[in-house]
Amino acid sequence: GENVEQHPSTLSVQEGDSAVIKCTYSDSASNYFPWYKQELGKRPQLIIDIRSNVGEKKDQRIAVTLNKTAKHFSLHITETQPEDSAVYFCAAMIQGAQKLVFGQGTRLTINP
Amino acid sequence: NAGVMQNPRHLVRRRGQEARLRCSPMKGHSHVYWYRQLPEEGLKFMVYLQKENIIDESGMPKERFSAEFPKEGPSILRIQQVVRGDSAAYFCASSRDRGNTGELFFGEGSRLTVL
Repeated sequence: GENVEQHPSTLSVQEGDSAVIKCTYSDSASNYFPWYKQELGKRPQLIIDIRSNVGEKKDQRIAVTLNKTAKHFSLHITETQPEDSAVYFCAAMIQGAQKLVFGQGTRLTINP
Repeated sequence: NAGVMQNPRHLVRRRGQEARLRCSPMKGHSHVYWYRQLPEEGLKFMVYLQKENIIDESGMPKERFSAEFPKEGPSILRIQQVVRGDSAAYFCASSRDRGNTGELFFGEGSRLTVL
């Protein structure tokens, strides 16, 4: 089955700097890649997603890139703010399958 | 639209008791997923259900765990004879469409503590 690896497990950046979180997946049949943000004690919330027919997608300060050949996808957050502090999860879904497989999560801390 | 509703939000059980967690999907959603999150860990898929059908239970432990999504009423995740290792947050998610055509919307989770 699908396996998703996420790095780093923790990331600390200065406010205003950029943060990058990387994921790799194992099954080349995966074609949907969402990113979720989870604040302490809260539910995961979708912040951006990308499908395999595009290589990059942006939404204000957040962007996601996908390299299908290398089976990598990354989350980029620019101009980080304290409210960006949270745990971020990448995920992958295999076409035809019905479940999202999540990475292990990255705890992002924005230092003021 | 009230979103995905889970209850109870917090549940405390002693070893050997039963835990029942309920999930009402968003209005118009017919697909329900259950995930387990251990402290400081990621989300592990447990089971995917549609009304009256279990579609994929590959993540469910073989014993003590069961799930249902009846024609009427919420989806229920049932854990019999709980053990300390069952302590976790259990998240339910729903979607309108099959698989990768739609976003998964998560509930706030049910936090089970086994004493």
